[in-house]
Amino acid sequence: DAGVIQSPRHEVTEMGQEVTLRCKPISGHDYLFWYRQTMMRGLELLIYFNNNVPIDDSGMPEDRFSAKMPNASFSTLKIQPSEPRDSAVYFCASRRPGPGDTQYFGPGTRLTVL
Amino acid sequence: AQSVSQHNHHVILSEAASLELGCNYSYGGTVNLFWYVQYPGQHLQLLLKYFSGDPLVKGIKGFEAEFIKSKFSFNLRKPSVQWSDTAEYFCAVVPGYSSASKIIFGSGTRLSIRP
Repeated sequence: DAGVIQSPRHEVTEMGQEVTLRCKPISGHDYLFWYRQTMMRGLELLIYFNNNVPIDDSGMPEDRFSAKMPNASFSTLKIQPSEPRDSAVYFCASRRPGPGDTQYFGPGTRLTVL
Repeated sequence: AQSVSQHNHHVILSEAASLELGCNYSYGGTVNLFWYVQYPGQHLQLLLKYFSGDPLVKGIKGFEAEFIKSKFSFNLRKPSVQWSDTAEYFCAVVPGYSSASKIIFGSGTRLSIRP
């Protein structure tokens, strides 16, 4: 299995631009999670989906952030408009049902907003 | 609110020293416990996990962790560390039996090994 796939791996953009991050979970995993990691705030859960439905988006920082999961094999996290404080590494993770199941992380997207 | 505490933010050891990283959680019911490792510039990977059964769990690369229910703890140990263990270590908890329970991560402990 290829694991969780994220694209792009690096993104540099200017303040005010729209940014779209993409994630393909492991096949058969019906939970998908989006995290943000910064030095200041550590690892933060932004939102997670179960069977393509958003379950908890309480971690989404503000209305500039939105996430979708149109099907079981694809999710996007969009920031519009982007700001310098959004600079971080964004990880996607997926897992099978069952609380004891392992969450598998993607390689992350390093976002820099100038 | 449920939380996970990792009291050591940064630990510095010499090679061959023994390691113990603390992890405490606040949840009185059934829990599933995890330790993840993040090597520099990489994503989080599972080191080991506890779901049920023997409270002493062995993971990859010589790591182990012990679940002590009475202390709400799941400390990570390794008898002899190597330079390649330099990484950030995250303890995580999934409370309850429900598969809808989300994983709660601690703030992480950065481990630096002196060669």
